[in-house]
Amino acid sequence: DAGVIQSPRHEVTEMGQEVTLRCKPISGHDYLFWYRQTMMRGLELLIYFNNNVPIDDSGMPEDRFSAKMPNASFSTLKIQPSEPRDSAVYFCASRRQGTNTEAFFGQGTRLTVV
Amino acid sequence: DAKTTQPNSMESNEEEPVHLPCNHSTISGTDYIHWYRQLPSQGPEYVIHGLTSNVNNRMASLAIAEDRKSSTLILHRATLRDAAVYYCILRDSLSYNTDKLIFGTGTRLQVFP
Repeated sequence: DAGVIQSPRHEVTEMGQEVTLRCKPISGHDYLFWYRQTMMRGLELLIYFNNNVPIDDSGMPEDRFSAKMPNASFSTLKIQPSEPRDSAVYFCASRRQGTNTEAFFGQGTRLTVV
Repeated sequence: DAKTTQPNSMESNEEEPVHLPCNHSTISGTDYIHWYRQLPSQGPEYVIHGLTSNVNNRMASLAIAEDRKSSTLILHRATLRDAAVYYCILRDSLSYNTDKLIFGTGTRLQVFP
């Protein structure tokens, strides 16, 4: 398996523009997680899905952020409109059902909003 | 959720053993101890986990104190590639919160040639 695949790897956009980050989890995994990492706040969990259903979105910072998982092999994280403070590395991770199954992370998308 | 405390940074020389401590004095009986690490410019990766007994795998060993209030991740022979941020995380096996991995600030390990 190719692992968790995220695209794009890098994104530079202007303030106010819509940004869509994409994630393909590992086939057969039941959970999908979106994280954001900044120097100031570290790794923050934004939202996670179980069997394509959003379970906990309490980490989503504002209504400008939305996430979807239309099927088991694809998820998106959208920011509309984007702001400079959204600049961060966004990671997607997936894992199988089970108490101690390991999570596999993608390489991340580095977002810069200017 | 039970919290963990780790030193901000540690240093090691190449090919020496490294002991990375983690304190979790409020750990509950159903909390598992997980370790992940994050290499530069990469996403975190799983290292090891345990409940009560010491654990070994190809990457590292996990030594858990008898009272479970602390644990130590042991890298037997550090290599330059082991330079990373190491995260100690508790996961409650009986709570829906076990779904989530919540990362703290971790320990930044530097390895010198």
